[in-house]
Amino acid sequence: KAGVTQTPRYLIKTRGQQVTLSCSPISGHRSVSWYQQTPGQGLQFLFEYFSETQRNKGNFPGRFSGRQFSNSRSEMNVSTLELGDSALYLCASSFGRDLAKNIQYFGAGTRLSVL
Amino acid sequence: DQQVKQNSPSLSVQEGRISILNCDYTNSMFDYFLWYKKYPAEGPTFLISISSIKDKNEDGRFTVFLNKSAKHLSLHIVPSQPGDSAVYFCAASVSGSARQLTFGSGTQLTVLP
Repeated sequence: KAGVTQTPRYLIKTRGQQVTLSCSPISGHRSVSWYQQTPGQGLQFLFEYFSETQRNKGNFPGRFSGRQFSNSRSEMNVSTLELGDSALYLCASSFGRDLAKNIQYFGAGTRLSVL
Repeated sequence: DQQVKQNSPSLSVQEGRISILNCDYTNSMFDYFLWYKKYPAEGPTFLISISSIKDKNEDGRFTVFLNKSAKHLSLHIVPSQPGDSAVYFCAASVSGSARQLTFGSGTQLTVLP
């Protein structure tokens, strides 16, 4: 069974540009969450999608947005990139939303560098 | 305001000895805790979890202890192996409400042969 797939693995953008990252969850998983990892900050929750609806959002500006398609694949978009957006963006999928009953499986991430 | 803290950025342990990784939290609403392990160039991998109704959970060489009064949890690895060298993240969530994990900043464990 294939794991969580994130594309692309690496991206280099310049300030002011926008970027779209993609995540394909494990087959059958309907919940997709996105996290940002920066040095010393751990993983910070961005948002969660379930059944094509955003169910939960972290404390990030509106420049960060996402969506989920009917096949549970998800995309994350960051507009007007800033230097501080340079990070590893991780996607995690789970079968259900209750984290006490459903393990979140992570992809390898997309490394975004903003110059 | 970091609700989950891992105060030791790194830890070195000799192979065969015990590794103890610590984690503190401030949000008393957290009732479910997890440990993830992360190798370079890979995503975090679930290791072990514990519900707040328990104070200990064991899985092979890995044991997680929860001290609710101190808002502290620890991960014990016995015996430590070189393959255990990785970054370990603790995470917490509130069941029944926001479906998100709050992570600590991670501890780099190095097991020396």
